[in-house]
This record gives sequence, C-alpha cells and structure tokens, in this order.
Amino acid sequence: NAGVMQNPRHLVRRRGQEARLRCSPMKGHSHVYWYRQLPEEGLKFMVYLQKENIIDESGMPKERFSAEFPKEGPSILRIQQVVRGDSAAYFCASSPSQGYNSGNTIYFGEGSWLTVV
Amino acid sequence: DQQVKQNSPSLSVQEGRISILNCDYTNSMFDYFLWYKKYPAEGPTFLISISSIKDKNEDGRFTVFLNKSAKHLSLHIVPSQPGDSAVYFCAASDRSGGSNYKLTFGKGTLLTVNP
Repeated sequence: NAGVMQNPRHLVRRRGQEARLRCSPMKGHSHVYWYRQLPEEGLKFMVYLQKENIIDESGMPKERFSAEFPKEGPSILRIQQVVRGDSAAYFCASSPSQGYNSGNTIYFGEGSWLTVV
Repeated sequence: DQQVKQNSPSLSVQEGRISILNCDYTNSMFDYFLWYKKYPAEGPTFLISISSIKDKNEDGRFTVFLNKSAKHLSLHIVPSQPGDSAVYFCAASDRSGGSNYKLTFGKGTLLTVNP
C-alpha cells in the first residue's frame, strides 16, 4: 500500500521559470492538501482539493500559484515565474474523507524541495 | 501572528529518560491538536492527537497532555530512544465551520536523544 507519492523530490529552477510539482494520493484517497514549509518555519496550509474541485485555496499566494486535481492523474501544484522566495519544501497530503475526524487522519508525502537560483 | 508556538528550538535528552516537548497556542477556537515527527528530507509522520474535550491521550511511549485554560499542550516520550531523534511539530485545527482539514503548525522542536 504505497503512501503519498510526490515528484520530483528535488527541483532546481532559475528565476522566471515554471515549477510543476506532482502528487499522487494514497490509494483510495480522494482528498488532497498542499502545504509549504519555508526555511526555519512550520508547515503552512496552501490549498485543499478534491477530484476536479478546489475546495479551499485560502493559503495560496494570489499570483503565480495554481493547483489542480484532475479526474485522472496526480494533483499538480504549479508555480509560474518563480522567485527566490519560492524556495521551500512543498508537502502534499491526502485522506480518504475530509479532514480530521474520528478515524480519519491526513497522511503526508515526503515532500518536494524547490530551489530557485 | 504565530498562533501555535514551540518556544524551544531544540531539546537534548539522555536515552531512557523522559522527553517533554511543549507547545502553546493563542487561538481559542482550536479544538483538535496533533503532534507530528519529521526526519530530515522526509514528510511529517502523524504521532498522536487529542481533542479539546480530553486532557490526556496516551499511545505506547507517547502521551499528550492538554491544558485548555493555559492554552498549552505537551508531548511526553517515555522512555526516550535514539530513534526518537527528529523534529517534532505541534499542530492545531479549528474543526468548527467545516475547516477540519486546515492545520496550523508550530516551527518545530529538534529532539536529540543521546545514547
């Protein structure tokens, strides 16, 4: 039973390029969450998606960031025109139903480390 | 504005002794609290959680205590083992209003257990 799979694990981009981070949730999970961890900080919520729907994107920067979770395939976090401040670890998580409640836990992937040079 | 605070960036403990990791929060709407363990270059792993209706939850060597009036929780690890060396994150959720998926994390405490 594979866990949450993220790729690439490490990505280097020059300023102004685009970064695409992919996340395949655990088998049977249809709820996906993205978090970002800046250096020396805790993880911060970015977005919550279900298949073909963005449920809550309140933590996403207003510009350059977008996320999708298509009917088929992984969830993708896309960062356009990257800047040095985007350098961070991006964690995807998934769960079989929404959020934390009795018997339901959210599982994190191993993260994608983005470095902008 | 940091709503979840872990004021000790690091903690060093001898193997076999108790490790106590502390966490304070400011948002009184938080009603669910979790501890995650994280090794370098890996994702956070869920350890233990506690609902605000309880003041203690125990799972093997791990016990979480919640003091709502003080807005404080702590994670006790007894006995500590070298494999427990990792960064521990405290996280909180306000599950009212349907946002039971959004966690607010502290900055973490690096625990080192010395053999």
